[in-house]
Amino acid sequence: AQSVTQPDIHITVSEGASLELRCNYSYGATPYLFWYVQSPGQGLQLLLKYFSGDTLVQGIKGFEAEFKRSQSSFNLRKPSVHWSDAAEYFCAVGNNFNKFYFGSGTKLNVKP
Amino acid sequence: DTGVSQDPRHKITKRGQNVTFRCDPISEHNRLYWYRQTLGQGPEFLTYFQNEAQLEKSRLLSDRFSAERPKGSFSTLEIQRTEQGDSAMYLCASSFDGEETQYFGPGTRLLVL
Repeated sequence: AQSVTQPDIHITVSEGASLELRCNYSYGATPYLFWYVQSPGQGLQLLLKYFSGDTLVQGIKGFEAEFKRSQSSFNLRKPSVHWSDAAEYFCAVGNNFNKFYFGSGTKLNVKP
Repeated sequence: DTGVSQDPRHKITKRGQNVTFRCDPISEHNRLYWYRQTLGQGPEFLTYFQNEAQLEKSRLLSDRFSAERPKGSFSTLEIQRTEQGDSAMYLCASSFDGEETQYFGPGTRLLVL
């Protein structure tokens, strides 16, 4: 069965510190992987995506993610967090242009 | 084009009433998706359309839910005889056939009293 696990429900980091959000997936076929960000009361904004090729992908707002097939992971990273990064982050997996499966999200708080 | 739009953004209704939401996808996107997001959870797939054809429906979509996309452009999601458990954010997304990325609208937040 297809599923996405985001083990961390809440994460708090200090502004300027590095960030890593974890995502593990279970998918029978070659997955397409996505990270979205959601601000309170808003829809989802695409941060980055992985389909194939280079396993390190760059996204918007200085985010990057690394696909590790052996670990079934697609962790999101940022070297230096800004206060405006506080939001909820969702990892998703999909294929064949059909439905996405989302994780339950990680809420990021940024301390001044 | 300003992206996927949804209307209304917020809806408060009483239990037992019917509600209808509208989604306008990005122009020329022929795929349209509906998701439901409850508090503290990620979005869950409800249904999707390719042009006007509804190709898949989730088991979450009970008989009280119906979605249409009559001309292959905008879509409506209707909930009949609403229940308190229907309270959630309803998200619409669209994509272009051959492109895997789904672009999401701002959502419609439903509160059933």
